[in-house]
Amino acid sequence: KAGVTQTPRYLIKTRGQQVTLSCSPISGHRSVSWYQQTPGQGLQFLFEYFSETQRNKGNFPGRFSGRQFSNSRSEMNVSTLELGDSALYLCASNPDGIVTDTQYFGPGTRLTVL
Amino acid sequence: DQQVKQNSPSLSVQEGRISILNCDYTNSMFDYFLWYKKYPAEGPTFLISISSIKDKNEDGRFTVFLNKSAKHLSLHIVPSQPGDSAVYFCAASGVTNAGKSTFGDGTTLTVKP
Repeated sequence: KAGVTQTPRYLIKTRGQQVTLSCSPISGHRSVSWYQQTPGQGLQFLFEYFSETQRNKGNFPGRFSGRQFSNSRSEMNVSTLELGDSALYLCASNPDGIVTDTQYFGPGTRLTVL
Repeated sequence: DQQVKQNSPSLSVQEGRISILNCDYTNSMFDYFLWYKKYPAEGPTFLISISSIKDKNEDGRFTVFLNKSAKHLSLHIVPSQPGDSAVYFCAASGVTNAGKSTFGDGTTLTVKP
């Protein structure tokens, strides 16, 4: 099976712009989670989607949003970009979103905000 | 409030010796714990997990120990190999938030030949 893919891999934006990142989960996986990793930091949970519904949400401002499509592909959007949004954004998928499911991570999208 | 902490940012060991990576948590609602390994320019890769009903889980060279009373878990790698050099993340989740994992800040392990 193909792994989790994320596009684009690298992105450079300026403050105030908006950005959309895409994640294609492993075929058959219904749960997609998004994480932000900043230098020296662990992964901060953004949100999780399961069967097109947001099921969990982390402590991020409303500028961060996401959605999931019927084929389980997911997008996240960040509006009005700030310098502090520069980070690696990771997407992870798992089959059924239960606690014992292994999460499979994509390679991430490196976002740089200038 | 950081609910999962890895207090050692880095660890260096000699090839063939044991590597011990530690992790502490504060949330009693966590009941499933995982370790991930991450190489540069790649996403984290699942390594090993343990349920709160167990105190040990073993998979080849990797063993995870869980001490619930101390809210502490550790990952043992024996014997350590240079290819084990990576960043290791400890993560925790609960049944009520199954799709959300809380991660520590990671420990960079360097295994010297």
